Amino acid sequence: GQQVMQIPQYQHVQEGEDFTTYCNSSTTLSNIQWYKQRPGGHPVFLIQLVKSGEVKKQKRLTFQFGEAKKNSSLHITATQTTDVGTYFCAGSSGSARQLTFGSGTQLTVLP
Amino acid sequence: DAGVTQSPTHLIKTRGQHVTLRCSPISGHKSVSWYQQVLGQGPQFIFQYYEKEERGRGNFPDRFSARQFPNYSSELNVNALLLGDSALYLCASSLAAGANQPQHFGDGTRLSIL
Repeated sequence: GQQVMQIPQYQHVQEGEDFTTYCNSSTTLSNIQWYKQRPGGHPVFLIQLVKSGEVKKQKRLTFQFGEAKKNSSLHITATQTTDVGTYFCAGSSGSARQLTFGSGTQLTVLP
Repeated sequence: DAGVTQSPTHLIKTRGQHVTLRCSPISGHKSVSWYQQVLGQGPQFIFQYYEKEERGRGNFPDRFSARQFPNYSSELNVNALLLGDSALYLCASSLAAGANQPQHFGDGTRLSIL
């Protein structure tokens, strides 16, 4: 079945440093979505990418979809304490009826 | 507008019992999906329903079942509970069916099996 892997599993950064999490799929994806889950909270949808090589920005967050549509990344510039949480990617292939989530990257921002 | 609401928020059961979890989607959303999230892992897809019909099923045993009502709310039922069923059960709604729909999650039901 489809597998989505994320690295790193954990990341500690000093406030103001940059952060990147990477997502890799075993199959070509038709779309990839990114979610953020705060401690004790539920996943919150951030963005969706559908085109090969697509890049989208939301303030300090930059999302990329690989040319082969098998990988993606989320980059946060100048992290803030409000960025703390676990970031998940989730993807689906054309024939799949389900969204497959990665295991997430837990971000800790030290003040 | 209200988001996705789930009940109960917490539940404690013993092995062999059954449980029913409930979910009300965002107004206007016709699709509901259920996910199981074990501590330290991403949500794992269980079911998707759209217009009262099952549109997708994940790799879960037949002890897991669900249904969607005419008002688009949904129930997840789990029979013969096992210790391994302890998890956060998340409901998510979306405008339409399909794996390309952004998921709007509720706060979840924390299920503990003793």
